[in-house]
Amino acid sequence: TQLLEQSPQFLSIQEGENLTVYCNSSSVFSSLQWYRQEPGEGPVLLVTVVTGGEVKKLKRLTFQFGDARKDSSLHITAAQPGDTGLYLCAGGSNYQLIWGAGTKLIIKP
Amino acid sequence: DSGVTQTPKHLITATGQRVTLRCSPRSGDLSVYWYQQSLDQGLQFLIQYYNGEERAKGNILERFSAQQFPDLHSELNLSSLELGDSALYFCASSVGEPNEKLFFGSGTQLSVL
Repeated sequence: TQLLEQSPQFLSIQEGENLTVYCNSSSVFSSLQWYRQEPGEGPVLLVTVVTGGEVKKLKRLTFQFGDARKDSSLHITAAQPGDTGLYLCAGGSNYQLIWGAGTKLIIKP
Repeated sequence: DSGVTQTPKHLITATGQRVTLRCSPRSGDLSVYWYQQSLDQGLQFLIQYYNGEERAKGNILERFSAQQFPDLHSELNLSSLELGDSALYFCASSVGEPNEKLFFGSGTQLSVL
């Protein structure tokens, strides 16, 4: 059974701080997607990484896919209250998506 | 706005009842996915349809069923409801396979009392 483990499960920090959340597996994925979900809404795709070692930037957010395509990280620089939400990673494998349980992030003003 | 429409937004019902959740995918998307999200279990994949045919099944209970119609809208039927079925139910769509970008609706909040 393929699993994606996200850590930490919960993170509460002050505005302006930096943070990194992780998505790890023992399985290889063909792609890795990151979504953000706000309360009362469905998840929204932030980025897809497909190549081992790939780094993508979305403003203050930096996403990295591990060299072996088994793990990924999301780094936020100078976090803002608008970054608050549930961050979900999903790995693509055999025409299905395997979902992590999510990291709940709260940025306090 | 993702372009995926789910109705109703909220649903309150009693144990033992049956409900139907409806989803209209984005224009042009052939795949529809149903997910269940509860506070303690994250996002759980239920079932996927592609152009009217069942493509993949996840942890969907036998009391639950779904279908995708010729116009590509989908319905999720939940029967013999139990308290533990209370959750957010999301529909998502994509052009084709799930490795592609998924567009999620706003969900249906089901409360079983």
